[in-house]
Amino acid sequence: EAGVTQSPTHLIKTRGQQATLRCSPISGHTSVYWYQQALGLGLQFLLWYDEGEERNRGNFPPRFSGRQFPNYSSELNVNALELEDSALYLCASSLDGDHGYTFGSGTRLTVV
Amino acid sequence: AQTVTQSQPEMSVQEAETVTLSCTYDTSESDYYLFWYKQPPSRQMILVIRQEAYKQQNATENRFSVNFQKAAKSFSLKISDSQLGDAAMYFCAYAEYGNKLVFGAGTILRVKS
Repeated sequence: EAGVTQSPTHLIKTRGQQATLRCSPISGHTSVYWYQQALGLGLQFLLWYDEGEERNRGNFPPRFSGRQFPNYSSELNVNALELEDSALYLCASSLDGDHGYTFGSGTRLTVV
Repeated sequence: AQTVTQSQPEMSVQEAETVTLSCTYDTSESDYYLFWYKQPPSRQMILVIRQEAYKQQNATENRFSVNFQKAAKSFSLKISDSQLGDAAMYFCAYAEYGNKLVFGAGTILRVKS
């Protein structure tokens, strides 16, 4: 079975621009989670989508937003990019917590 | 809010030896899940082992085992017969059923040959 896929692998944007990151969960998984991993830091929870609805969001400003599509894939949008948004953005999917959470390989966002 | 603490920023182990990584967590829930994830230099997060809080028996996966102490809210990972490929960042994580993962800060494991 295909794993969690994220695109693009790398993304370079200029400060003030918008970035869009995409995630396709494992087939059958309905929940998608987004995490930010800045250099040298742990994983910070960003957003959780399940069945098309936003279930929870972490302590991030509103310029971090996203959505989940009917096929359960998800998009993370970051508006008005700032230099400190440079990080690895990881997406994970799950059917339910019992089966664990499978991660994608991430999108490396660099803001210059 | 639930928190996960990994008090060892970095650990070293000799190849073929055993190492234990520590993790404590804070929660008022009785049902939850605990995980150890490995993140090698490739940055891919790999599930190492998971434990359901309602199970008293400690989970094991080949060379990896946990010591789950529910009352003490402790969840340590033991790696036996360490291999060079075990070198990575290890994250302890907590989740309530169907909810998001909460991660600790991570422990860098170095394996010496």
